[in-house]
Amino acid sequence: GAVVSQHPSWVICKSGTSVKIECRSLDFQATTMFWYRQFPKQSLMLMATSNEGSKATYEQGVEKDKFLINHASLTLSTLTVTSAHPEDSSFYICSARSRQAYEQYFGPGTRLTVT
Amino acid sequence: QKEVEQDPGPLSVPEGAIVSLNCTYSNSAFQYFMWYRQYSRKGPELLMYTYSSGNKEDGRFTAQVDKSSKYISLFIRDSQPSDSATYLCAALSGTYKYIFGTGTRLKVLA
Repeated sequence: GAVVSQHPSWVICKSGTSVKIECRSLDFQATTMFWYRQFPKQSLMLMATSNEGSKATYEQGVEKDKFLINHASLTLSTLTVTSAHPEDSSFYICSARSRQAYEQYFGPGTRLTVT
Repeated sequence: QKEVEQDPGPLSVPEGAIVSLNCTYSNSAFQYFMWYRQYSRKGPELLMYTYSSGNKEDGRFTAQVDKSSKYISLFIRDSQPSDSATYLCAALSGTYKYIFGTGTRLKVLA
């Protein structure tokens, strides 16, 4: 199957700082990438959808200025959490889909802890 | 009503049992259906995907879609303790909007 990587897998940052999470499709071209947030024992919450070369489409209630998404190439998308606060602590997961496929493939996730 | 409904479980079965995981959906426009397995603190892993009605088999896993009743199932044969995870169903409409179920926690007891 297709492989999606995420980096870092775990990050701790201080309140008020920014954190960047990278998502890469390793063996396919990801025309669409998705960013999810997941709280313990809860389901996936879609934050935004991005198509390569276009601005991300954010879900209702997700702050665009706080969660900056860039999908600069067919293999890389980044999520930057700006001015992070403890309530931003969560598990962030990206996924990717190629133009020819309907299924999406997930990365391993990034655990963010804001102190 | 949620577009995709899934019993959260937990579902506990003995090792070797046949497991049946189910989802119902309300939107008849859904055409593609997927099953993901998620271990704790990991990203979901795609297990199976199917298009429209019918069955699809891959090893110990069988995915089944019944569009007439808007019902999708995942069967796991000869279940193993390593199958213990949360299983997520997902449906996709023509507008590329993925709708996920809340997930069913499965425990396979040795």
